[in-house]
Order: sequence, then structure tokens, then C-alpha cells
Amino acid sequence: GAVVSQHPSRVICKSGTSVKIECRSLDFQATTMFWYRQFPKQSLMLMATSNEGSKATYEQGVEKDKFLINHASLTLSTLTVTSAHPEDSSFYICSAPEGSGPYEQYFGPGTRLTVT
Amino acid sequence: RKEVEQDPGPFNVPEGATVAFNCTYSNSASQSFFWYRQDCRKEPKLLMSVYSSGNEDGRFTAQLNRASQYISLLIRDSKLSDSATYLCVVNMNGANNLFFGTGTRLTVIP
Repeated sequence: GAVVSQHPSRVICKSGTSVKIECRSLDFQATTMFWYRQFPKQSLMLMATSNEGSKATYEQGVEKDKFLINHASLTLSTLTVTSAHPEDSSFYICSAPEGSGPYEQYFGPGTRLTVT
Repeated sequence: RKEVEQDPGPFNVPEGATVAFNCTYSNSASQSFFWYRQDCRKEPKLLMSVYSSGNEDGRFTAQLNRASQYISLLIRDSKLSDSATYLCVVNMNGANNLFFGTGTRLTVIP
């Protein structure tokens, strides 16, 4: 099946700093990628839809100036958490659909962010 | 009201048991339905899609009831390796993203 990678897998940063997370589709092109966040014992929550060549679409309650998304190419989307705070500590996962349909999503392995 | 609701469990069952998970969704326009499996601190992986006629894959059977907006997953002959969180996932037609339930935690006990 299709493969999506994420980097880094784990990051610890100090409060106030920024962290960039990369999401790559390794063997297919993705005009759209999705960024999710999962707090402990909770479900994945969609944060934003990353669109290649245009602005990202953010879900209600997600600050676009805090969570910067850049879909630089058909295989790469980046999420930058700016001025991170401890409450931003979470598991961040990206996904990408292979093909034109809305069906199966391939998930990256996730990035565990801890803000101290 | 949440888009997708699941009983969070946990379900603790002995090896070999049969266990069933249920899920309800709120939007009648939902078109695609899936069960994903998520192991601790890992990304979700597709377990199976759910079709209107019901479908089976080995020990796993998924069913969909559109009238009641209800999806189920049945696991027969549980294995230790089935221990995971099972996520009910719904996609609305034309919306290229997924709505996740909170997941049901299953632990299979030796």
C-alpha cells in the first residue's frame, strides 16, 4: 500500500519556540493532505486540510496563525507549531488519500510533540 | 452532538471469545464507512471498509444499517494480537476527510 512518512517522530521543545513537522507521501502524489491532532485517550481531530498550490483550510477553533501549513509540493506538506505552549503537546498525524476518491487515507506514523 | 459516537470500552475478553463493537453516526448524508485499528502511540491503519450489504474478512465482520445510522464490527475467535483501539470512521460524500469516533479499546486476555 501507499506510504506516508512523518519527521520527526518525536520532538521536545521549550515553551515559546516553533516546531516544524514534515509529512511526505513516498510513492504517490497528494494534492491534498490532512493534519490531525490526538490528545491522550481522545479521538483524532482534524485540524486542517493542506492543499498543494493554495491556502490550507482550517477547522473551526484551530488558529491558522499558530499552526502554519505549507504544501510545498505534491509530496510534501509541513505543519509548523509557532510559539508552542505546553497545551500544544499532543500527537500530530498527517494523512493523504491516494487517488482521486475520498476513500482510503494513508496515515503517517505521527509526531509526538512535548512542550516543556 | 458528535459526528461519530462509540462506546469507549474498555472491552476485556478472553482469547477465543467473540466481541462486537457498535458505532452510530449523526449525518445521514454520510457515504463511506470504515473501521480502523490504532495501536498505542501508533497511527491508525485501515482494518476494513463497511459496505451496505455487510462484509467479512476472515474473523472480522462489518455491518451497516443506514436506517438506524449504525455500524458494527464483530471479531470472532479473538487473538492476543487483536488488542488495540478500534476506530469507527465516517466520510461524507464529497468531503475528502474523515470523522473519527473516540475508539473502543479492546484487550484480549490469555
